[in-house]
Amino acid sequence: GAGVSQSPRYKVAKRGQDVALRCDPISGHVSLFWYQQALGQGPEFLTYFQNEAQLDKSGLPSDRFFAERPEGSVSTLKIQRTQQEDSAVYLCASWGGAAPLYEQYFGPGTRLTVT
Amino acid sequence: AQRVTQPEKLLSVFKGAPVELKCNYSYSGSPELFWYVQYSRQRLQLLLRHISRESIKGFTADLNKGETSFHLKKPFAQEEDSAMYYCALRATWGSQGNLIFGKGTKLSVKP
Repeated sequence: GAGVSQSPRYKVAKRGQDVALRCDPISGHVSLFWYQQALGQGPEFLTYFQNEAQLDKSGLPSDRFFAERPEGSVSTLKIQRTQQEDSAVYLCASWGGAAPLYEQYFGPGTRLTVT
Repeated sequence: AQRVTQPEKLLSVFKGAPVELKCNYSYSGSPELFWYVQYSRQRLQLLLRHISRESIKGFTADLNKGETSFHLKKPFAQEEDSAMYYCALRATWGSQGNLIFGKGTKLSVKP
């Protein structure tokens, strides 16, 4: 079946603009994660949902970052008043599989460039 | 603090040579350790995990709790192994918790 999808794949924003990044997880996957990957770095955790509940948002770097998953499927990561340091690839992952070998399945990412 | 360290940013070997990508972790409990791989223009995907104790594409990794290491090894590298490799840790065994990644090692296998 289809894997995790993300849109847009590329986004260029002028500093100060708001952006919204979308993630469509694998159907039936309850858990969803967002990661930020800066150039030359590994992915860093931002936030985690179980169904529609945001259980952990400890990785969100500032209050300009906001994530939601209102119906427990599609998730949106919103960044308000973008700054140059927000430039990164934003990865979404959904968690599932067959016990005990559950794993996180990653989307292709959205590359955000703030100019 | 939970941390994953991959000391090599780039590792370059010739085809047929052995490969070892190093990974050390910092965590006081019993973590789950993973290796993820990202081939050119593809998404991040799971290569192997320590609990499976299996060989995937000829790669193996053994968890050494005494040295807090989880090095990835392959006896004979192939050109198609060229990719970014990330070591990752999940703090809570079997949970749905987030992954903590190292900075990655780029493996380049030359013909």
